[in-house]
Amino acid sequence: RKEVEQDPGPFNVPEGATVAFNCTYSNSASQSFFWYRQDCRKEPKLLMSVYSSGNEDGRFTAQLNRASQYISLLIRDSKLSDSATYLCVVKWGTAFSGGYNKLIFGAGTRLAVHP
Amino acid sequence: GAGVSQTPSNKVTEKGKYVELRCDPISGHTALYWYRQSLGQGPEFLIYFQGTGAADDSGLPNDRFFAVRPEGSVSTLKIQRTERGDSAVYLCASSDSPQETQYFGPGTRLLVL
Repeated sequence: RKEVEQDPGPFNVPEGATVAFNCTYSNSASQSFFWYRQDCRKEPKLLMSVYSSGNEDGRFTAQLNRASQYISLLIRDSKLSDSATYLCVVKWGTAFSGGYNKLIFGAGTRLAVHP
Repeated sequence: GAGVSQTPSNKVTEKGKYVELRCDPISGHTALYWYRQSLGQGPEFLIYFQGTGAADDSGLPNDRFFAVRPEGSVSTLKIQRTERGDSAVYLCASSDSPQETQYFGPGTRLLVL
């Protein structure tokens, strides 16, 4: 089983639609959670952090459920510019690593927003 | 300011050859990471440097892969006896400290023929 699993996608939606991505993680020791965005042939960039209390940034809302080990991302009023791959990421440290935290990425979900 | 830079941006080599991939982190960042991203997959951790030392190399797939960071800044990922399965995008990231946000470079696309 992969450590981070995401919806396979692709999601093809019209402009203005609301779209939701889901992600589950297997390591209960995971400490921090993120969504990264990756455009075609570009590097991943941090979109937002995810907290149990929920985190909203404009049209984007992220939510964490630690009990279910489940992370979600909601995009409202989709724009053409939202077309990208969205990567679910968890971070966990090791006891002997001096506080270092390793990023574990999901395979990503591709979103295509069309006019 | 300048972000993470990687050279070359593309590298085509033949099976069995040796390659070196270079990463220039953001100035002052002490933590440096290498990842490998295969087509249709997310980045996969390879190695982490804190300063000059490799604090975690558990992601290196085998002994053909090696990385150095001799002065605590620029890092080089070295791959010996390349195989077709090594073809991927090799991403470098750096952060101000191990707990802070990692910023990624544009990657090196390696193609082994």
